[in-house]
Amino acid sequence: AQSVSQHNHHVILSEAASLELGCNYSYGGTVNLFWYVQYPGQHLQLLLKYFSGDPLVKGIKGFEAEFIKSKFSFNLRKPSVQWSDTAEYFCAVNSGGYQKVTFGIGTKLQVIP
Amino acid sequence: EAQVTQNPRYLITVTGKKLTVTCSQNMNHEYMSWYRQDPGLGLRQIYYSMNVEVTDKGDVPEGYKVSRKEKRNFPLILESPSPNQTSLYFCASSPGMGLATGELFFGEGSRLTVL
Repeated sequence: AQSVSQHNHHVILSEAASLELGCNYSYGGTVNLFWYVQYPGQHLQLLLKYFSGDPLVKGIKGFEAEFIKSKFSFNLRKPSVQWSDTAEYFCAVNSGGYQKVTFGIGTKLQVIP
Repeated sequence: EAQVTQNPRYLITVTGKKLTVTCSQNMNHEYMSWYRQDPGLGLRQIYYSMNVEVTDKGDVPEGYKVSRKEKRNFPLILESPSPNQTSLYFCASSPGMGLATGELFFGEGSRLTVL
């Protein structure tokens, strides 16, 4: 079975600080990996996705993530956060042939102006 | 506009009173799914459907039913709601599940309170 671990449950940063959110998954085969963002009171939206190819994936709003297969990791990064990045971030995995997308428990990011 | 529409958005009900949360998508997606979101537990899958008339249990199916009679609709049924089903529910759809797919498109959410 696939599973996802997000290590940081609540992160507080000042504006302009750099961000890295950890994500590890359990499945050893081919995987599709995602980061979703949920702004306060809203539904989940896709930030970025990895299917194959270049392990460094760029998404919307300056976010990027790096897939490291040997570490089963897909960490989310942003060089300089803004107050508007305050949201909850979810890592998700869909392993090849598996009919489900499994989510981590989420990381709440609070950016202080 | 491509979207997933859920109704109702907010609902307060009492224990045992059957309710249905509707979900409709206009993207001709084959895959649809229901999730519940609870603090500290993230999103957990309730049921999913790979296509019309094909449904299967997710991680937390107890107390819920679904049906997929049409491609666009995937209602979630709570036959006898209980307080532990108080949660925020999301419907999602996807073109499919497999290699190079699996991106989910979410509805706005339905906040359900069972008294």
